Amino acid sequence: QVTLKESGPAVVKPTQTLTLTCTFSGFSLSTSGMRVIWIRQPPGKALEWLARIDWDDDKFYSTSLKTRLTITKDTSKNQVVLTMTNMDPVDTATYYCARSPYCDGTTCSKYYFDYWGQGTLVTVSS
Amino acid sequence: QSALTQPASVSGSPGQSITISCTGTSSDVGSYSLVSWYQQHPGKAPKLMIYEDNKRPSGFSNRFSASKSGNTASLTISGLQAEDEADYYCCSYTHTTNSWLFGGGTKLTVL
Repeated sequence: QVTLKESGPAVVKPTQTLTLTCTFSGFSLSTSGMRVIWIRQPPGKALEWLARIDWDDDKFYSTSLKTRLTITKDTSKNQVVLTMTNMDPVDTATYYCARSPYCDGTTCSKYYFDYWGQGTLVTVSS
Repeated sequence: QSALTQPASVSGSPGQSITISCTGTSSDVGSYSLVSWYQQHPGKAPKLMIYEDNKRPSGFSNRFSASKSGNTASLTISGLQAEDEADYYCCSYTHTTNSWLFGGGTKLTVL
């Protein structure tokens, strides 16, 4: 059974750095072809892809947020950490982590999110 | 890169069919097998309902189907039911920037 769960502060102040942790089970990020991504959703607005980390430690970031984001993994703990610097009220959103397998066992080049965490709401306010 | 374009809202009566469009470019939606669709009920996480343009995950109702023509993908829900009322998001990977783009979301109201 695949599960993911986000954790982190519910409130951060403007200019602070946000650190979110995605703890998962039911799969390993050391498995070839496995990826974990972060997505956010401001209240009442659309989803926005933020970052991705691959089984081989390749990392990719949203072009618009690249300078503020860092994604890392701790395979032994089954965790992926996202940090976002210089937080602003417009960054108020529910932050989700999700699994994105590059391969599904028989074929590769997959680009979807099959399991999601429940999300964690982060409010940026002084 | 701009988000994908979806209608903000659609509605239909129980038993009817509706279609939600999602327009992108040849670099994303128009490319091979890169489109997925997600259903999101209020207060819940999104749920994968279509992947690789038109494939359904096991266990997802066959009332949901998808297709693509050129740079526009479409999601069709047939036999509308009250529980289909939700937000629907299209999504496409783009090799141009190694990133994913989402549509603005479509709110489905079952009348």
